[in-house]
Amino acid sequence: AQKITQTQPGMFVQEKEAVTLDCTYDTSDPSYGLFWYKQPSSGEMIFLIYQGSYDQQNATEGRYSLNFQKARKSANLVISASQLGDSAMYFCAMREGRGTGGFKTIFGAGTRLFVKA
Amino acid sequence: GAVVSQHPSRVICKSGTSVKIECRSLDFQATTMFWYRQFPKQSLMLMATSNEGSKATYEQGVEKDKFLINHASLTLSTLTVTSAHPEDSSFYICSARRDSEKLFFGSGTQLSVL
Repeated sequence: AQKITQTQPGMFVQEKEAVTLDCTYDTSDPSYGLFWYKQPSSGEMIFLIYQGSYDQQNATEGRYSLNFQKARKSANLVISASQLGDSAMYFCAMREGRGTGGFKTIFGAGTRLFVKA
Repeated sequence: GAVVSQHPSRVICKSGTSVKIECRSLDFQATTMFWYRQFPKQSLMLMATSNEGSKATYEQGVEKDKFLINHASLTLSTLTVTSAHPEDSSFYICSARRDSEKLFFGSGTQLSVL
């Protein structure tokens, strides 16, 4: 069963505007972590932001913020002041399990973001 | 930040040959590494979890004998695609978890089997 859902295959945003990339997840484990990664055309995976299931506040990292709504099981990524270099594929991911051991991380289908000049 | 090195970045091989991909954590020890496969314009699919000093844990549907994983040290995991066929052509990417939650990824390997 699919556990990470990204419903937007592609998104367009005007440069300097904000954009929200949607992500919903499904898990029965009370302890989990949520991530967003950026993958440019080069293929590398770039970590953007992390939210733990017990974190009280929404995570922020520079222009990135994570809108964590636990009851709705959503973890949307908000990118403020979009830049042309933000054009890339964005993946939402979830790590299930406790601690920092070998629990696996699974990825959503991804959303391709296009920033227009 | 932590660095994970993956080599080679691109490999082209003939059908029937074996290809080895290396994944190294350069500045930290990784007891666990993960191998993912990514088809064009698709998401990353977890293939296996590589544990240092023990056997890898494979995801359902991934052939253990086809994709051999060895995690001989705390800084090195290798994935060997044995008797490669054109359908094995894909982008393979490794990752490692340090003491924090996030994964650090290698730069990936594009495998093309002719």
